[in-house]
Amino acid sequence: EAQVTQNPRYLITVTGKKLTVTCSQNMNHEYMSWYRQDPGLGLRQIYYSMNVEVTDKGDVPEGYKVSRKEKRNFPLILESPSPNQTSLYFCASRGRLAGRETQYFGPGTRLLVL
Amino acid sequence: EDKVVQSPLSLVVHEGDTVTLNCSYEVTNFRSLLWYKQEKKAPTFLFMLTSSGIEKKSGRLSSILDKKELSSILNITATQTGDSAIYLCAVTPGNTGKLIFGQGTTLQVKP
Repeated sequence: EAQVTQNPRYLITVTGKKLTVTCSQNMNHEYMSWYRQDPGLGLRQIYYSMNVEVTDKGDVPEGYKVSRKEKRNFPLILESPSPNQTSLYFCASRGRLAGRETQYFGPGTRLLVL
Repeated sequence: EDKVVQSPLSLVVHEGDTVTLNCSYEVTNFRSLLWYKQEKKAPTFLFMLTSSGIEKKSGRLSSILDKKELSSILNITATQTGDSAIYLCAVTPGNTGKLIFGQGTTLQVKP
């Protein structure tokens, strides 16, 4: 089954404690990206990756890092989380499957930074 | 500044009605426009429209891209309560992987 998985699904942490949210896809998609969703602000792109070792900033990259060492994984790293990074995070991948463009989102990670 | 605007922001209809959702954009070197449906979880992908594919249809849903007017519409015919969701539009500018979202249209379909 085609899917994007994220872990953890829920996380409560404290300011300054480094954390990583993992993202993995099983569709061999080249393109992966991270978003945050906040009430009143909608979905905003944090980082994206067009392929292995190729990453670039989205609209709100400050305070986040990513890496793409292999095609299937695209972790999101918060080196020193702050309360304004409390949000719902989605990972997504996009590519062609059976000749048709498809995109899949992960189930989301709800992060609370105290 | 690249921008995507959706209208209306919210809409209430009755089952069986037809609805049209709008998405307009101002982006540098438009490449593609995507529609998503979001219920109480992650968005699900509906359509992608580009210069070479300006009309898409899947069941009761269809979408058209108007490159002249810099806009797109999403039509839902014979609406059902299961169509209740937030519909999101997003645009990719230039030869990048950036994706800029509109604020979404919240659709409620009443029985």
